[in-house]
Amino acid sequence: QQQVKQSPQSLIVQKGGISIINCAYENTAFDYFPWYQQFPGKGPALLIAIRPDVSEKKEGRFTISFNKSAKQFSLHIMDSQPGDSATYFCAASEAQKLVFGQGTRLTINP
Amino acid sequence: NAGVTQTPKFQVLKTGQSMTLQCAQDMNHEYMSWYRQDPGMGLRLIHYSVGAGITDQGEVPNGYNVSRSTTEDFPLRLLSAAPSQTSVYFCASTVQSLGGRGGELFFGEGSRLTVL
Repeated sequence: QQQVKQSPQSLIVQKGGISIINCAYENTAFDYFPWYQQFPGKGPALLIAIRPDVSEKKEGRFTISFNKSAKQFSLHIMDSQPGDSATYFCAASEAQKLVFGQGTRLTINP
Repeated sequence: NAGVTQTPKFQVLKTGQSMTLQCAQDMNHEYMSWYRQDPGMGLRLIHYSVGAGITDQGEVPNGYNVSRSTTEDFPLRLLSAAPSQTSVYFCASTVQSLGGRGGELFFGEGSRLTVL
């Protein structure tokens, strides 16, 4: 059973648009929520992360919104660019384990 | 600085064969882990280690063994390969245990395994 549920599975956005990927979890013991970006043929790489005591974190065009009461968090990519086309994974950490969502394949059309 | 190095990059096995996926890191990271990536399933944790001599199970440990005799190396062993183990395997490491402080996982480039 997937501990972190991610949607949508795939997403197509026009260049300059906003890409939004959502994740939900049940385990309230999770205490760290990162997002990873993966390009074809490569391993995932950390993009941005947030802790549950913060409702929003922004780094450049990337923003995480976190809703602790709803047990949901999302990634927003502003002014999406073709170079953002990749697979994105949300994740959640408890103790020594980092568990991932199912992934979202994002395509930015020029 | 090579980071996390996985070998082999590609491997084809027959059902019942055994093999070892190698993982080495040169960043002096205490924490190492193995994931498998399957379409629609994301990345699933197989085993992890918080230091030399210490290993523990993740979400999908069945059919896999690990050991951690040195800080640098964390091999993943398939004792009797099955078609269900066809997947892309990733090794990852971080400076310290993930814990509550989080920590950036550094991934290798993956090993693609096909079991016929």
